Amino acid sequence: KQEVTQIPAALSVPEGENLVLNCSFTDSAIYNLQWFRQDPGKGLTSLLLIQSSQREQTSGRLNASLDKSSGRSTLYIAASQPGDSATYLCAVNRNTDKLIFGTGTRLQVFP
Amino acid sequence: GAVVSQHPSRVICKSGTSVKIECRSLDFQATTMFWYRQFPKQSLMLMATSNEGSKATYEQGVEKDKFLINHASLTLSTLTVTSAHPEDSSFYICSARDGRTYEQYFGPGTRLTVT
Repeated sequence: KQEVTQIPAALSVPEGENLVLNCSFTDSAIYNLQWFRQDPGKGLTSLLLIQSSQREQTSGRLNASLDKSSGRSTLYIAASQPGDSATYLCAVNRNTDKLIFGTGTRLQVFP
Repeated sequence: GAVVSQHPSRVICKSGTSVKIECRSLDFQATTMFWYRQFPKQSLMLMATSNEGSKATYEQGVEKDKFLINHASLTLSTLTVTSAHPEDSSFYICSARDGRTYEQYFGPGTRLTVT
């Protein structure tokens, strides 16, 4: 059974810091992995999608890497801003099937 | 980018009544949609997979007679919570999968409160 874990569970940092959020999964047989952002009481916004054949994806200040063999993905946020404050979720997609979500990292960036 | 809408965004109902939540993909066709529920400060838990034109597939522990799912077209899926009870109060989120990329796009969620 696929299990997805995210570390840390919560993070509070001053504005401007570079951040690394971690995601690990137990079954390396995945089709792709997605990183999402969720603001309080809101739905999910897709940030980055990495196919199993890819090593990383970049969008603006965000960079996500994938090491499928070791069951790990990291989301790197450069020069963090207060507007980055949200919960970040990773999810793995097994063979185009349902997404299995991680436990989430609650990020707070203070001015 | 792909847009998924949900209606209503917030609903309050009395115990014993039924509530219908709609999920629409606005600019793409979604042969598959997913329904999740999320309790406060917890991650999303998949309830069921909705396939256009066929019966939904429910996750273990989810009562199919209580959570009725209909996926009548390539752009619309509905979730009906029947005989709602206070413990059904939760945040319900749908997603629609793009048939070409398999990327999932999520709706804004529906906050259900059963009194």
